[in-house]
Amino acid sequence: SQQGEEDPQALSIQEGENATMNCSYKTSINNLQWYRQNSGRGLVHLILIRSNEREKHSGRLRVTLDTSKKSSSLLITASRAADTASYFCATDLTQGGSEKLVFGKGTKLTVNP
Amino acid sequence: NAGVTQTPKFRVLKTGQSMTLLCAQDMNHEYMYWYRQDPGMGLRLIHYSVGEGTTAKGEVPDGYNVSRLKKQNFLLGLESAAPSQTSVYFCASSFLDPRTQPQHFGDGTRLSIL
Repeated sequence: SQQGEEDPQALSIQEGENATMNCSYKTSINNLQWYRQNSGRGLVHLILIRSNEREKHSGRLRVTLDTSKKSSSLLITASRAADTASYFCATDLTQGGSEKLVFGKGTKLTVNP
Repeated sequence: NAGVTQTPKFRVLKTGQSMTLLCAQDMNHEYMYWYRQDPGMGLRLIHYSVGEGTTAKGEVPDGYNVSRLKKQNFLLGLESAAPSQTSVYFCASSFLDPRTQPQHFGDGTRLSIL
């Protein structure tokens, strides 16, 4: 099955810096989503980007999608301590038409005050 | 509006015991999912349901059963708990196909099997 893989596994930055996380996947997708998980909590949806879109913004978040390279990136600008969390990409599983998402293993972001 | 509520939040079981995890959503969502999250493994799909009365297997269904008797509830059962089922379990729901719109997650059930 196809799966998104995030890179790096862990990232530590200072408050105010930008954070970039990458997601690579194996086969063609229709949509790609990014989720955030704070420690001890469930995942929260951040953004969905469709295969015919190249870039999407939401507040301080910028997501890009390069279908030729089968990769996506999540940029958080002017990071804050509250952005400390794990970030996951999720791709749709096109085989068999099943209504499923496949999640990567996540990038753990630490923003130091 | 509570969203997705999981019960219980924590549980410790002995090997061989059985239990049921409850997921309830108040958003009138059709689709509901059970995942497990283990360190370094990300989220893995156990079972899911695309509507009341329907269930389907996910990636790691062995040792688990599910039921969706009411649209708002999705139950996950462990028939005979094993230490390998120690994990954090998340329930998620979406109004339509989650490939095209966000999934809403509960805050998880932390389950330890001794």
